[in-house]
Amino acid sequence: ETGVTQTPRHLVMGMTNKKSLKCEQHLGHNAMYWYKQSAKKPLELMFVYNFKEQTENNSVPSRFSPECPNSSHLFLHLHTLQPEDSALYLCASSQHDRLTYEQYFGPGTRLTVT
Amino acid sequence: AQTVTQSQPEMSVQEAETVTLSCTYDTSESDYYLFWYKQPPSRQMILVIRQEAYKQQNATENRFSVNFQKAAKSFSLKISDSQLGDAAMYFCAYRIANAGGTSYGKLTFGQGTILTVHP
Repeated sequence: ETGVTQTPRHLVMGMTNKKSLKCEQHLGHNAMYWYKQSAKKPLELMFVYNFKEQTENNSVPSRFSPECPNSSHLFLHLHTLQPEDSALYLCASSQHDRLTYEQYFGPGTRLTVT
Repeated sequence: AQTVTQSQPEMSVQEAETVTLSCTYDTSESDYYLFWYKQPPSRQMILVIRQEAYKQQNATENRFSVNFQKAAKSFSLKISDSQLGDAAMYFCAYRIANAGGTSYGKLTFGQGTILTVHP
């Protein structure tokens, strides 16, 4: 595997379910991000992790719970979601220094909440 | 707060022609980075081009170039010799260059422009 991978690619869940999204980066980066992409809206940054520490929580509802066990893996735990949470969830990674600052994105998980 | 605006929801171009996508941004910072990302229908977002605000020279990457007007806070993307594979959603993005703040790495995106390339 190369780059940033995300599983599953598609997920349908009911409002009472609990599920988790997984992201893995194979680039040796130390910063990871979750974004939400809804139709006709800009990408919304949800969470930022630098060196496994959460440094940004962009007023995300508590039904979204991130976890970063190491610098290569990032999870987004979901519970009691709402239909408006249906969106494409993108994971990204970057190297936390000034020299290399591009964010590399995964393919996303298309989430549908029924 | 920083904002990024892409005023063209959709654009189209004929194959081999040139198209320019617009982007404006608002910031009080003097040191920052600007990016254009491409998101093809397969959904993997990839970086097209990057511009450092302290550089006056416009960035170029093969058929892609930017027109960076710092005073006007404008950052347009020009695609020359358009190809069918250029069809995608294009996002303009901004990032502060401050390495010490908790907002380091935070990208602010525009709404995106859907580019259609006609054969």
